[in-house]
Amino acid sequence: DARVTQTPRHKVTEMGQEVTMRCQPILGHNTVFWYRQTMMQGLELLAYFRNRAPLDDSGMPKDRFSAEMPDATLATLKIQPSEPRDSAVYFCASALGLAGNDEQYFGPGTRLTVT
Amino acid sequence: TQLLEQSPQFLSIQEGENLTVYCNSSSVFSSLQWYRQEPGEGPVLLVTVVTGGEVKKLKRLTFQFGDARKDSSLHITAAQPGDTGLYLCAGAGAGRRALTFGSGTRLQVQP
Repeated sequence: DARVTQTPRHKVTEMGQEVTMRCQPILGHNTVFWYRQTMMQGLELLAYFRNRAPLDDSGMPKDRFSAEMPDATLATLKIQPSEPRDSAVYFCASALGLAGNDEQYFGPGTRLTVT
Repeated sequence: TQLLEQSPQFLSIQEGENLTVYCNSSSVFSSLQWYRQEPGEGPVLLVTVVTGGEVKKLKRLTFQFGDARKDSSLHITAAQPGDTGLYLCAGAGAGRRALTFGSGTRLQVQP
């Protein structure tokens, strides 16, 4: 069955290193979201794309985070340089559209630990 | 900024008990969704409610959208260990194109 996939599932890195997380949305879904989840802040929206174009990245720290969709089957989230406070689980989700009642399908997440 | 507050934050109950989780906001939402997240996985959609006062049932789960579309509740009857997880409400506001997620309710059902 169709699923959102994310790689890697786990990443441990040292402060200052670059981290790249990848997401493959469900084929045919035109909207892709990036979220970050921590115990303290819950699930936070970082950025989202519609037809590969960024619509809103106001949730992302601009100086170190960047999100792109090189093609319809790949979304990337990059952190450079990484900091310990970036430690979290990062989720990608895809949806058919942007309507409020469209179901978002979440990937399994990338657990990032920055030491 | 539209905020969704969930209560309680944590709930630990015995198998067979009933429970209710609340999702409240001062803002009006055009629709509201409930998701469940299990450890190590992403959230999975349970239901979407769109009409004020709407009630939807999913087996032992009953979802209600408030008349004013500012709040919602999730009631579980005869909870089972398989209901254990993090329950998240998410609202779509008029004119907004992305969901706002609540803070979550972590439910533990003991056998």
